[in-house]
Amino acid sequence: GESVGLHLPTLSVQEGDNSIINCAYSNSASDYFIWYKQESGKGPQFIIDIRSNMDKRQGQRVTVLLNKTVKHLSLQIAATQPGDSAVYFCAEVGAGNKLTFGGGTRVLVKP
Amino acid sequence: DAGITQSPRHKVTETGTPVTLRCHQTENHRYMYWYRQDPGHGLRLIHYSYGVKDTDKGEVSDGYSVSRSKTEDFLLTLESATSSQTSVYFCAISGSGMETQYFGPGTRLLVL
Repeated sequence: GESVGLHLPTLSVQEGDNSIINCAYSNSASDYFIWYKQESGKGPQFIIDIRSNMDKRQGQRVTVLLNKTVKHLSLQIAATQPGDSAVYFCAEVGAGNKLTFGGGTRVLVKP
Repeated sequence: DAGITQSPRHKVTETGTPVTLRCHQTENHRYMYWYRQDPGHGLRLIHYSYGVKDTDKGEVSDGYSVSRSKTEDFLLTLESATSSQTSVYFCAISGSGMETQYFGPGTRLLVL
């Protein structure tokens, strides 16, 4: 069953297109950020991370961009696939390695 | 799920009863965390541990206690469950310092 918010912002994307998910963070002192993917009925799954001394990091089909000036983080997914349908959370890491999560964005991939 | 198991995976209990959730890891990670996830609130930290017998409160710790007697196990106890504690509970682990947290599969708790 679905365990995340019922009124999440939703991004609908055509299969094969690129997806961009945005996140605003609150603490300008945060120096480590993580993107997680959560499928229905499962725990959050690590996708990619970035430290504040970087503004871009690439993984397999994913890219994270960090703009510290406006406290903004984005996740780009290239060639979105049906398996990418999930809720995506950004998280900022604070003192004591404590995560503060954003509210999440639901991605729906249309065939 | 990165060598993390949670038990039970589902539980239904009545208001006023004690409940203990268990998180077990095989990664020998120092840090362990308990979160709850609710619609409209996302994931919120309940308690965390930075070593055996070393624990601290998160943002929603009222009504919960934790214990960590060995590296691999982190227990979350609801001394007297209330309906507001109906939620999905996730355990997470990480190594020392600023490292990624890895999450377990979750426990769905319903308090009637």
